[in-house]
Amino acid sequence: DAGVTQSPTHLIKTRGQQVTLRCSPKSGHDTVSWYQQALGQGPQFIFQYYEEEERQRGNFPDRFSGHQFPNYSSELNVNALLLGDSALYLCASSSPLTGRNEQFFGPGTRLTVL
Amino acid sequence: AQKVTQAQTEISVVEKEDVTLDCVYETRDTTYYLFWYKQPPSGELVFLIRRNSFDEQNEISGRYSWNFQKSTSSFNFTITASQVVDSAVYFCALTEEAAGNKLTFGGGTRVLVKP
Repeated sequence: DAGVTQSPTHLIKTRGQQVTLRCSPKSGHDTVSWYQQALGQGPQFIFQYYEEEERQRGNFPDRFSGHQFPNYSSELNVNALLLGDSALYLCASSSPLTGRNEQFFGPGTRLTVL
Repeated sequence: AQKVTQAQTEISVVEKEDVTLDCVYETRDTTYYLFWYKQPPSGELVFLIRRNSFDEQNEISGRYSWNFQKSTSSFNFTITASQVVDSAVYFCALTEEAAGNKLTFGGGTRVLVKP
């Protein structure tokens, strides 16, 4: 049973560019959440998707957007990249069967903005 | 608003010593969940434990134990007889029933276990 997977593992972009990160949830999970973890800090909630809609959003600008597909996988898009967007982006999935508050995390995508 | 504070940024111990990680939380909700996650250098967050606000029983799992005290809004984590493999960053997190399952994390405590 595959856990949460994310791609790519590493990414280097320059300021002003756009990036798309991908996440496949754990089998049987229908809810995907995204977190940003800056170096030396705890993860910060970006948003959550359920039934292909954004259900909750943290304190992030509109440059951060997402999408969820019918197979529950999800994308995180960041436009007009800033140096401060450099971070580890973590995806987490959950299921109504095990309780949505029990989230399983993927290995993350490390984004570097130059 | 929910908040989690981990006052210790880094703890260094020698193998076989015990280490306790402090976590203090703030919430206005009566129903909430507390978590501890381990983050090794690889970056993936590994789930260790979940407690709900109605269950104040302390828990022990092998060398790990947790002390939940609602009176002081604390959820502390102890590693007994630490091992080098315990070296990692540990995060305490909180989610409120009213906030769905959005997790609020503390700043983390880096544990370094020296042989």
